[in-house]
Amino acid sequence: GENVEQHPSTLSVQEGDSAVIKCTYSDSASNYFPWYKQELGKGPQLIIDIRSNVGEKKDQRIAVTLNKTAKHFSLHITETQPEDSAVYFCAASINYGGSQGNLIFGKGTKLSVKP
Amino acid sequence: DTGVSQNPRHKITKRGQNVTFRCDPISEHNRLYWYRQTLGQGPEFLTYFQNEAQLEKSRLLSDRFSAERPKGSFSTLEIQRTEQGDSAMYLCASSLAAGVGIYGYTFGSGTRLTVV
Repeated sequence: GENVEQHPSTLSVQEGDSAVIKCTYSDSASNYFPWYKQELGKGPQLIIDIRSNVGEKKDQRIAVTLNKTAKHFSLHITETQPEDSAVYFCAASINYGGSQGNLIFGKGTKLSVKP
Repeated sequence: DTGVSQNPRHKITKRGQNVTFRCDPISEHNRLYWYRQTLGQGPEFLTYFQNEAQLEKSRLLSDRFSAERPKGSFSTLEIQRTEQGDSAMYLCASSLAAGVGIYGYTFGSGTRLTVV
């Protein structure tokens, strides 16, 4: 089955710096890669996702890149702000024509942005 | 649209007791998922429904666990004879399955279960 590895487990940056979180997956059939942000006491919130037919996607300060050959994908947050502090999870699944495999999550990265 | 609602938010129970959690998905979503999250880990899939049909169950879902979605709207997750290892956050998510695939689950805030 699919296995998702996520690094680093903790990341501390200064406000305004960039943060990068990396994930690898094992199942080459996986074709959908979302990223979730989870704040304390809340459920995960989708922040960005990418499908395997796309190499990069941006949404304001957040970007995700995907390397299908190497089976890894990364989250990039630029100009970090204290409110970006949270736990971030990557996930992978297989989507095919209306039928989705279940999301397999990484173990999470705790991001701390210091003012 | 008030998002995915889960009740209760917190539940403390004694070992051996039964507990039941409820999830109300986004109204137009036809798929509903249950995940479990332990401290320091990512969510792990338990089961999912499309409308009222339970389509897949993880091997994590032992015979003490049962989930229902009787009318294709809200869902309940029951754990019988709770054990300390059941202590976790139980997350519900919903999505809309359409012809071009399903993306972007919306998660609820979860029910935190503590078994003492």
